[in-house]
This record gives sequence, structure tokens and C-alpha cells, in this order.
Amino acid sequence: QKEVEQDPGPLSVPEGAIVSLNCTYSNSAFQYFMWYRQYSRKGPELLMYTYSSGNKEDGRFTAQVDKSSKYISLFIRDSQPSDSATYLCAMSGAGGGADGLTFGKGTHLIIQP
Amino acid sequence: GAVVSQHPSWVICKSGTSVKIECRSLDFQATTMFWYRQFPKQSLMLMATSNEGSKATYEQGVEKDKFLINHASLTLSTLTVTSAHPEDSSFYICSAGGGQGALEQYFGPGTRLTVT
Repeated sequence: QKEVEQDPGPLSVPEGAIVSLNCTYSNSAFQYFMWYRQYSRKGPELLMYTYSSGNKEDGRFTAQVDKSSKYISLFIRDSQPSDSATYLCAMSGAGGGADGLTFGKGTHLIIQP
Repeated sequence: GAVVSQHPSWVICKSGTSVKIECRSLDFQATTMFWYRQFPKQSLMLMATSNEGSKATYEQGVEKDKFLINHASLTLSTLTVTSAHPEDSSFYICSAGGGQGALEQYFGPGTRLTVT
């Protein structure tokens, strides 16, 4: 079993839809949970990070963490074609960004105009 | 967010040669830099962690004599792939931490290495 599981997709939705992206993990030591966006042949760009369980909102993006279920989600409201990219979840232990990150495979998201 | 650059963005080399990849944090001092490798349709996999002035810490299964990492300053880390083979062909990405948000890690644009 991989440490972090993420459905690679592709996930195709119409413009304006609410998008739900998810990851599950097995390592209970993870405390920081990040979402990155990666365009083809580019480095990942940090979208949001969350510490422990709970929700965090930033504009159209909402991150949720449920440590009891080892399940994290990223919601995108009012999705735009420019949101089309690969979304990677990443996790780390108590050191947060000071530690190496464990990534999911990434979900390829396509927003249809 | 902070800016991290990598050079070169892509490189083709012959089997048996060595290739050096540079990673620079342009607008902050990175106390820690990380090197990842990403194969097509796979996750980014952490290869090693380097702290300025210290020896790098390698992940299990990564050959430290093959992937030489130097972190000589707070803004520059280098990865040298020695005696490259076709199976080393991959997308190598660095990231830098310890910047304005100590919990955050900023990624470079990546270097695509093709070994023929």
C-alpha cells in the first residue's frame, strides 16, 4: 500500500462546476497537508496548506483534512478553464515544509469551457 | 511566493557522462533544499535533503555516490548525476524551504534529463 493514494483521473467537468479532489493516506505521523498545482513540464506551485484536521478557505479553494479518516480534500468553486492542471496532494510530519514531502500521484483536472 | 530557479531546464547527455543541475532560491535564503525525481505519470519522489554546509541526507534506495548533492550557500544547491544511464532519465525538481513562511516549500521549474 502506497503512503498516499490519489486518483490520477483525468477528471473532466464543465466550467462553473464545483470540483472535489481527494487523497487518502496511511501514515498517522503526517501533520501538514498541502495541495500543489502543476502544469505540464513545470514545477509544482503551492496552493494551500493545512495543519492537522479542519478546513481552510482561500478564495475559490477550500481544503479539508479529516485525520481520523486519513482523508483530505480540495474543493474548487466556480471552476475556470485556467484551473485545468494536475493537482498534487502532499504531506509531511511535524517539520512541515522543513521536511521532505510525500506526494500523491496527482489528479489531472480538465475544465471544459 | 518565493522564486526558485533551476538550470538547465532540459539536458540530453550520453550514457556514462555526468550532468550537473543547479537550483537557486532567488529572493530568500533557503536553509534547506530538497531534490525530487518524477517519472511520467508518477508521484514526485524525494531523493535527498540538504542543509547549507552539511552533507545531504538521502532517502532509502537513492545512491549517494551516483547523485552528488552540494549545498554550498543559502541560495544554491547542485545535483550531479554521475555516470548517467538511460534509467536515470527523469524530471528532476528541487525545492527550497526556510523562506518567508518556514512551513512552506517552494519548487523550481524542474530539469528534464534524457540519457541516450
